[in-house]
Amino acid sequence: AQKVTQAQTEISVVEKEDVTLDCVYETRDTTYYLFWYKQPPSGELVFLIRRNSFDEQNEISGRYSWNFQKSTSSFNFTITASQVVDSAVYFCALSETRGNNRLAFGKGNQVVVIP
Amino acid sequence: SQTIHQWPATLVQPVGSPLSLECTVEGTSNPNLYWYRQAAGRGLQLLFYSVGIGQISSEVPQNLSASRPQDRQFILSSKKLLLSDSGFYLCAWSVRRLTYEQYFGPGTRLTVT
Repeated sequence: AQKVTQAQTEISVVEKEDVTLDCVYETRDTTYYLFWYKQPPSGELVFLIRRNSFDEQNEISGRYSWNFQKSTSSFNFTITASQVVDSAVYFCALSETRGNNRLAFGKGNQVVVIP
Repeated sequence: SQTIHQWPATLVQPVGSPLSLECTVEGTSNPNLYWYRQAAGRGLQLLFYSVGIGQISSEVPQNLSASRPQDRQFILSSKKLLLSDSGFYLCAWSVRRLTYEQYFGPGTRLTVT
């Protein structure tokens, strides 16, 4: 069974501070995919990144960066110099190569950026 | 480019009434389709997924059903709504046979009174 844990429920930061969201996963598969989604107040989930289990390179996209560490089963997400528009719920998700592309989501991190 | 539509955007229904939520995808063929529910507290629960017309898999036994009458149309239904059916319903699609990301629609907020 696959499982994703996002321990921090709500995180408040002051604008321009950095914020890191932790994601720890469990899977028995050797091949799997990890994802991050953003859910702004409007409700629609927005895809941010996909990472496969064979690619442990960290990635940076603008103010977003991701740190994948297979040894600790973690896929953490950092927002640098946060802005009010970053206020949202962020979900980490796991998909194994079997199972019709089903995603297992964590419970989400509510990020509140205070101006 | 691909687009996913859901309607209605919001719905208020009394207990015991029927339900029909519709999802359509444009710009792709043979997608996998998914229905999720997000109750208060943010967690996303997969309800149904479909790999083709008429092929529906249910993840959680419940008061709801799903159908896929056309390749890019996915419908969520209920004959009699319960209070516990209230929530935010999200439809998603993904490329078939690939373990890639799912793309989500704008959602339907359902309140059962």
